[in-house]
Amino acid sequence: DVQLVESGGALVQPGGSVRLSCAASGFTFTSYGYSWVRQAPGKGLEWVSGISVSGGNKFYADSVKGRFTISRDISKNMVFLQMDSLRAGDTAIYYCAKEEVTEVGAFNYYYKYMDVWGIGTTVTVSS
Amino acid sequence: EIQMTQSPSSVSASVGDTVTITCRASQDINKYLAWFQQKPGKAPKSLIYGGSNLQSGVPSKFSGSGSGTEFTLTISSLQPEDFATYHCQQYYSYPWTFGQGTRVEVK
Repeated sequence: DVQLVESGGALVQPGGSVRLSCAASGFTFTSYGYSWVRQAPGKGLEWVSGISVSGGNKFYADSVKGRFTISRDISKNMVFLQMDSLRAGDTAIYYCAKEEVTEVGAFNYYYKYMDVWGIGTTVTVSS
Repeated sequence: EIQMTQSPSSVSASVGDTVTITCRASQDINKYLAWFQQKPGKAPKSLIYGGSNLQSGVPSKFSGSGSGTEFTLTISSLQPEDFATYHCQQYYSYPWTFGQGTRVEVK
């Protein structure tokens, strides 16, 4: 079965750091890109970060740029989200999602959507 | 950043009803729109991509249409398991953005 399992969620003080992990199984890890999406309590979904199929391109929401870093380890079939300088507004459930390419556009731009999601891990930023 | 606006924010419906949800983009996103279903305490589930393409395993009672700036998700013959929150999301350009969600609840 295609599966993504997140871990690493924690209670962290403002200004602190946490590293989230996403373990992938049931498919060829290196054939896909991945995203992190979060959901604050009682709120909607917010895309946070993405990493390309090659791992060479990384994308971030403005709200986390410069504080969060996405990476992957192809030897472990894992995706990570390093979260630094955490704020109360970062409190959320964090989901990892696999990206499926639907089309390759001009200039080799890959149009991808999130087809498989993990169950999420909770990060709470509070003193 | 492309803004996505869903309407209505919530809708009350009965089993057997047909419900239509609208998602509008602040600029042309071609067909690059996805829909997700989310039940309380659960992760989102992919329903539709490319505006109208059904994700594998999703029943045909779900249908999507639209392109450019206006899209719709239609759920026909509502069943108890369909009462949930539905989110639209554009993947035309980064940063990817979601609508605020539409809650489909029991009348």
